[in-house]
Amino acid sequence: EVQLVQSGAEVKKPGESLQISCKGSGYSFTIFWIGWVRQTPGKGLEWMGTIFPGNSDTIYSPSFRGQVTISVDKSINTAYLQWSSLKASDTAIYYCARRGPNDYNHFDYWGQGTLVTVSS
Amino acid sequence: DIQMTQSPSSLSASVGDRVTITCRASQSISSNLNWYQQKPGKVPKLLIYGASSLQSGVPSTFSGSGSGTDFTLTISSLQPEDFATYYCQQSYTTPHTFGQGTKLEIK
Repeated sequence: EVQLVQSGAEVKKPGESLQISCKGSGYSFTIFWIGWVRQTPGKGLEWMGTIFPGNSDTIYSPSFRGQVTISVDKSINTAYLQWSSLKASDTAIYYCARRGPNDYNHFDYWGQGTLVTVSS
Repeated sequence: DIQMTQSPSSLSASVGDRVTITCRASQSISSNLNWYQQKPGKVPKLLIYGASSLQSGVPSTFSGSGSGTDFTLTISSLQPEDFATYYCQQSYTTPHTFGQGTKLEIK
């Protein structure tokens, strides 16, 4: 069974750093792209970027490039989303999702989401 | 970025109704259009990919059509569990943008 399991909810202060994780199981982790999606009440779902675990090739949305870092450790089947200096506006639910096996680039499996709250 | 616009933003319907949700892309995206369903407090779920391919396990009451810039998601006979928010997503070019969502409510 394909599963993506994300790390737990976080409460941070502005300016702090954070890394959240997404561990894949039940499939060959290195051959499927993993994406990150932000969800906020005001802006709905936003595609942040994606990484190919096999070679760490990464594509960022222009809206998020420079704001976050996407990485992967294929030895432990885990992808990461990292902030060096959080802002209140980073408060959101963050999902990781697997890109499906054909050419349509859809997300066929999703993690359960990680709620990140940034507040002073 | 390609802008995705869904209509309507919200919709009230009854069990058994046929419902259509529209998604328009700001430029041609061929058939690279996906539909997701999200219930409150839950994770988005893939319904349709490639504009018209039904994801495994999704009821056949859901169907998708369109190509180029105009796409539709149709639910042929609404069931109680179908009341949710629906999102389209273009996956033609990065960033793979989502529509703003259509909230389907019980009349």
